[in-house]
Amino acid sequence: DAGVIQSPRHEVTEMGQEVTLRCKPISGHDYLFWYRQTMMRGLELLIYFNNNVPIDDSGMPEDRFSAKMPNASFSTLKIQPSEPRDSAVYFCASSLYRGDSPLHFGNGTRLTVT
Amino acid sequence: ILNVEQSPQSLHVQEGDSTNFTCSFPSSNFYALHWYRWETAKSPEALFVMTLNGDEKKKGRISATLNTKEGYSYLYIKGSQPEDSATYLCASLGGGSNYKLTFGKGTLLTVNP
Repeated sequence: DAGVIQSPRHEVTEMGQEVTLRCKPISGHDYLFWYRQTMMRGLELLIYFNNNVPIDDSGMPEDRFSAKMPNASFSTLKIQPSEPRDSAVYFCASSLYRGDSPLHFGNGTRLTVT
Repeated sequence: ILNVEQSPQSLHVQEGDSTNFTCSFPSSNFYALHWYRWETAKSPEALFVMTLNGDEKKKGRISATLNTKEGYSYLYIKGSQPEDSATYLCASLGGGSNYKLTFGKGTLLTVNP
C-alpha cells in the first residue's frame, strides 16, 4: 500500500487566493482526518470524516475553510480566501476504525501564504 | 487535566542512555492513548495504541505504560541511539461517539553520538 497520499507537498500563494489541498487515504480505511500543525498550537484537528460523512468540523477555524470527501478515496481541504495566518503544515490521516486503530499520516502539505 | 500535556518539552541525552518522558491526559471518560514518533521532515508514525489500565507495550527498545485512573502514560527508551532522535507525541481519545484525538505538543528527543 502506498500509504496516505497528499498533494501538493508545498504550496506558496498570495493572500486572497484560493488554496486546495488533496488527500487520498489508505484503501479500506473508513476514517479520514485533516490536521493543522503550527508551532504555537501543535497538531490541531480541523475536521474528520467517517464513511465519507463529515462528523466533527468544530476545529475548522472559520468559514474560509471547507472540506469535502466525495468518495472513499479522495478528500479536499479548501481555503478561500487564504490569509498569511493560514501558513502551516496540513496533514491528512486515515484509520480503520475508532480508538483502537492508529492514525496513518500523509507527508503533509506545507502552505505558505504571503 | 483538561488537555494532553507532555513533559519535558525537550530532552538531550547521550548515546546509550536510557530515558523516559510523560504524557498526562484527562482520566475521566478515557478510551485510548496513542503514542507517535515524528522525525524531522517526515510524518508522525504510530508506536502504540493503549486502552487498558496497567497496559504495557513494547517495540524493540521502546516501551510504554498506561495508568488510566490517574491519567498518565510513560514512554521509555532503553539505550538511546542517534536514530531515536525525534519528537514523540501522545494523543488521548475520550469515550463516546466522537472520535476526536487530542494531541500533546510532544517531547523533542535529541540523542548525541
